[in-house]
Amino acid sequence: GQNIDQPTEMTATEGAIVQINCTYQTSGFNGLFWYQQHAGEAPTFLSYNVLDGLEEKGRFSSFLSRSKGYSYLLLKELQMKDSASYLCAVSESGGYQKVTFGIGTKLQVIP
Amino acid sequence: EAGVTQSPTHLIKTRGQQATLRCSPISGHTSVYWYQQALGLGLQFLLWYDEGEERNRGNFPPRFSGRQFPNYSSELNVNALELEDSALYLCASSLGDRATRLNIQYFGAGTRLSVL
Repeated sequence: GQNIDQPTEMTATEGAIVQINCTYQTSGFNGLFWYQQHAGEAPTFLSYNVLDGLEEKGRFSSFLSRSKGYSYLLLKELQMKDSASYLCAVSESGGYQKVTFGIGTKLQVIP
Repeated sequence: EAGVTQSPTHLIKTRGQQATLRCSPISGHTSVYWYQQALGLGLQFLLWYDEGEERNRGNFPPRFSGRQFPNYSSELNVNALELEDSALYLCASSLGDRATRLNIQYFGAGTRLSVL
């Protein structure tokens, strides 16, 4: 089984940098995803990490440490439109791939 | 290329009725996942279909069921509706279990089910 923890809410200022952490416990790790979900809308895929290290994609970067069961999503140059929930999801290895989503971190960007 | 499409967008039912929700995956995707997202809560995994078979099921009662058709589209059926079934139901698709790379799930816009 899997257990995923991330903060429930965060607030950050427009133009700043924010780091959203995610810790997980899994019996077999296959990969980790980050999704963005605006209120009332579907989650949209942001990034995934399979190996340790940092993956950079424009203003968004995601980091993974498999030995620590830890990931973070880094958002730079925050914009008001970045106000959304950010979901951490872990894919479990095995015969049938299974993805479990965390509850999400609601980020509010303030002027 | 069309994304994941879900219908209807909104569905209003009364207690005890049945609801049918539909999902068409991205072309080439064989896996379909169903999630329930109640207001203010996280995604709760319901069902996973791949190549027409049910591969995994979340912790939901049997009145939540579904199927996947030969064209990989899918239906979610909810029988004997209860007030607490009111939620956004999201469908996602991915390349499927035989894919050799990580299966990224792509989501549809969802069906908002209201049970009165």
